[in-house]
Amino acid sequence: DGGITQSPKYLFRKEGQNVTLSCEQNLNHDAMYWYRQDPGQGLRLIYYSQIVNDFQKGDIAEGYSVSREKKESFPLTVTSAQKNPTAFYLCASSSRANEQFFGPGTRLTVL
Amino acid sequence: QKEVEQNSGPLSVPEGAIASLNCTYSDRGSQSFFWYRQYSGKSPELIMFIYSNGDKEDGRFTAQLNKASQYVSLLIRDSQPSDSATYLCAVNSLEAGTALIFGKGTTLSVSS
Repeated sequence: DGGITQSPKYLFRKEGQNVTLSCEQNLNHDAMYWYRQDPGQGLRLIYYSQIVNDFQKGDIAEGYSVSREKKESFPLTVTSAQKNPTAFYLCASSSRANEQFFGPGTRLTVL
Repeated sequence: QKEVEQNSGPLSVPEGAIASLNCTYSDRGSQSFFWYRQYSGKSPELIMFIYSNGDKEDGRFTAQLNKASQYVSLLIRDSQPSDSATYLCAVNSLEAGTALIFGKGTTLSVSS
């Protein structure tokens, strides 16, 4: 089955800790994205990558980092510099037509 | 800062009625327009996309686009309780490559 997977589904972070969220797709899409969603809010773009080994900052990149070493994978690291990381994190991918498809999401909570 | 505006709702309609969801956008260069449905606690699901002025129909859903007015809408005919969800409008932005700009969503409640 083609699709996008994210892991873990739930993640708990302690103060000062870096955590990495996984995103994998087997749709052969070139572009991948990370969004953050807070309660009652829309999706805000953190980082996006249109091709392997290249990525761009979105509107709220501070405190986050990414890598794109393989076409299928686009992991997101939430660093200790992100002061309010509790949110629902969504990974998406798209073909050239801009139609984005989302993974199931990771819910991150700071303890 | 390019923006997408939606009425947050909630929009309440009885079962079988037509639900009308509206969205305006600020970037005149936008070319691609999308509607996503998001159930509580779940990720967004693409339900419609439209690229040209006019109407596009898919089953009970109709997307309408008016680029001159920078307005896009989604009509849901014969609304069902299972349509109760938050509907997100998304628009492409030339400044952000292939990334999309999302509105905050309109919550639809269909009562039986």
